Amino acid sequence: GENVEQHPSTLSVQEGDSAVIKCTYSDSASNYFPWYKQELGKRPQLIIDIRSNVGEKKDQRIAVTLNKTAKHFSLHITETQPEDSAVYFCAASIMRFGAGTRLTVKP
Amino acid sequence: GAVVSQHPSRVICKSGTSVKIECRSLDFQATTMFWYRQFPKQSLMLMATSNEGSKATYEQGVEKDKFLINHASLTLSTLTVTSAHPEDSSFYICSAREVLGRTEAFFGQGTRLTVV
Repeated sequence: GENVEQHPSTLSVQEGDSAVIKCTYSDSASNYFPWYKQELGKRPQLIIDIRSNVGEKKDQRIAVTLNKTAKHFSLHITETQPEDSAVYFCAASIMRFGAGTRLTVKP
Repeated sequence: GAVVSQHPSRVICKSGTSVKIECRSLDFQATTMFWYRQFPKQSLMLMATSNEGSKATYEQGVEKDKFLINHASLTLSTLTVTSAHPEDSSFYICSAREVLGRTEAFFGQGTRLTVV
């Protein structure tokens, strides 16, 4: 089955800096890669997604890149703000999640 | 985005009893619903995939007789934790995918189950 690895597990940045979270997947047939943001005790919220026919997608301060050959994809958050602090999960398809990255943005 | 409602949000039950959790898609029809379990500070672990009108597909290691899943309509799936034990205490969360072939899924707000 699909195996998704996510790094780093924790990430601390200064407000205004960029944050990058990376994931790798094992199933070459996977074609949909969503990213979710989860705040404590709340449901995961879809923040951006990318399909396998696209290499990059951007939505304001958030971007995702996909390298199908290497089977890895990354989340990039620019100009980070304290409200970006949360746990971020990547997924391959909508079923298999990475272990999560706890992002802390220091004011 | 589409709305998925999960009920109850919190439940406390005694060991040995059963608890039913409902997952409803409020403004769309969901061919497929997913049930996850999340331990504190950990990721979402897929328990089972349920398709409307058919038996659920359980992940390896998940007891189907303990975690009963029913997906009787395109807007409702239920998870029943039978003969609950303290180790079943966890955050259970569902997600639903629209019927029109869209790939994204939307999450319910989750249910925090505490078995005493």
